[in-house]
Amino acid sequence: KAGVTQTPRYLIKTRGQQVTLSCSPISGHRSVSWYQQTPGQGLQFLFEYFSETQRNKGNFPGRFSGRQFSNSRSEMNVSTLELGDSALYLCASSFGTGVNQPQHFGDGTRLSIL
Amino acid sequence: AQSVAQPEDQVNVAEGNPLTVKCTYSVSGNPYLFWYVQYPNRGLQFLLKYITGDNLVKGSYGFEAEFNKSQTSFHLKKPSALVSDSALYFCAVRDSSSGNTGKLIFGQGTTLQVKP
Repeated sequence: KAGVTQTPRYLIKTRGQQVTLSCSPISGHRSVSWYQQTPGQGLQFLFEYFSETQRNKGNFPGRFSGRQFSNSRSEMNVSTLELGDSALYLCASSFGTGVNQPQHFGDGTRLSIL
Repeated sequence: AQSVAQPEDQVNVAEGNPLTVKCTYSVSGNPYLFWYVQYPNRGLQFLLKYITGDNLVKGSYGFEAEFNKSQTSFHLKKPSALVSDSALYFCAVRDSSSGNTGKLIFGQGTTLQVKP
């Protein structure tokens, strides 16, 4: 079974640009969550989607947005990029949102802002 | 607010020795706890979980974790460390404060260094 696939793996952008990151969950998984990982702040929750609906959102500015499609694939978008947005963005999927279901992570997209 | 703490930034052990990576948690309600490992340039890999039941949880690659409710701890253990276990380890708790959600709250991570 294929794991969580994130594209692209690496991305370089400049301040003020916008970026879209993609995540394909494990087949059959309907829940997708996004996390930001930085050396200073660690792993921080961005948002969670289930059946195309945003169920939960972390404490990030409105420049960060996401969506989920009917095939459970998800995208996140960051507009007006800032230097502080440089991070590893991780996507995780699970079958549902039950507390006993672990999330399975992709290898992430490393975003660098120049 | 729910939180997880990993008191050690780094743990050093010799190959073949037992290892422990510490984690304490603070939750309102039942704790749903997880351990993940991250290798360089990779995502997080699920090791094990505690939902309910036995206090000793067995996971992947010979790892296990001991849940202690009175000490609010969930320490990761392995009887005999391998050099290949060297990685970054994260403890996490499911955030149940806002209903049925998949959101995880992570500790800051502990780097495990296993020396030959």
